[in-house]
Amino acid sequence: EAGVAQSPRYKIIEKRQSVAFWCNPISGHATLYWYQQILGQGPKLLIQFQNNGVVDDSQLPKDRFSAERLKGVDSTLKIQPAKLEDSAVYLCASSLGRSTGELFFGEGSRLTVL
Amino acid sequence: GEDVEQSLFLSVREGDSSVINCTYTDSSSTYLYWYKQEPGAGLQLLTYIFSNMDMKQDQRLTVLLNKKDKHLSLRIADTQTGDSAIYFCAESLWGKLQFGAGTQVVVTP
Repeated sequence: EAGVAQSPRYKIIEKRQSVAFWCNPISGHATLYWYQQILGQGPKLLIQFQNNGVVDDSQLPKDRFSAERLKGVDSTLKIQPAKLEDSAVYLCASSLGRSTGELFFGEGSRLTVL
Repeated sequence: GEDVEQSLFLSVREGDSSVINCTYTDSSSTYLYWYKQEPGAGLQLLTYIFSNMDMKQDQRLTVLLNKKDKHLSLRIADTQTGDSAIYFCAESLWGKLQFGAGTQVVVTP
């Protein structure tokens, strides 16, 4: 079974530029998550989708971050304009949505903002 | 600060047991989890425990849960060099996972 795919693995941009990350979840997983992991910290949930609807985006900085999940499969997370403090690894995860809560994570996209 | 707290670092000799500790905040958490993150990789679920259990054993892994003290621990028996990684404790709150900052475990020969 293929895992969660993310791209790009690494991205370096200057502040005020924009960047987009892509995620393809495990086939059949209805729930998709984007997490931000700053160096030395645990992952922090940015947004959760159930199929193509948003379940929780309470911690998404909506003035600069946006995310969509068209057709309930792939998802894109965009940052525009980027700030220095956005430097982090952006992790995508998916799940079947069962109560046991097992999430399957991708390898992440590492963003460096200069 | 983090609602889920863990010690940041643990050094253990190969073959010894490792114990990683975690405290969480919400007594209504239904499940508690241990995830492992190797360098450059995403998080991988190691094990989880339902909140009405005190202990769960899975091969070399033993999870202990003290609900009164909101304390969770992960014991790894016969620790191997492949166990070197960052271990994250997480609690489930309203369907969301709240992660701790992670404990870096270094296994020395």
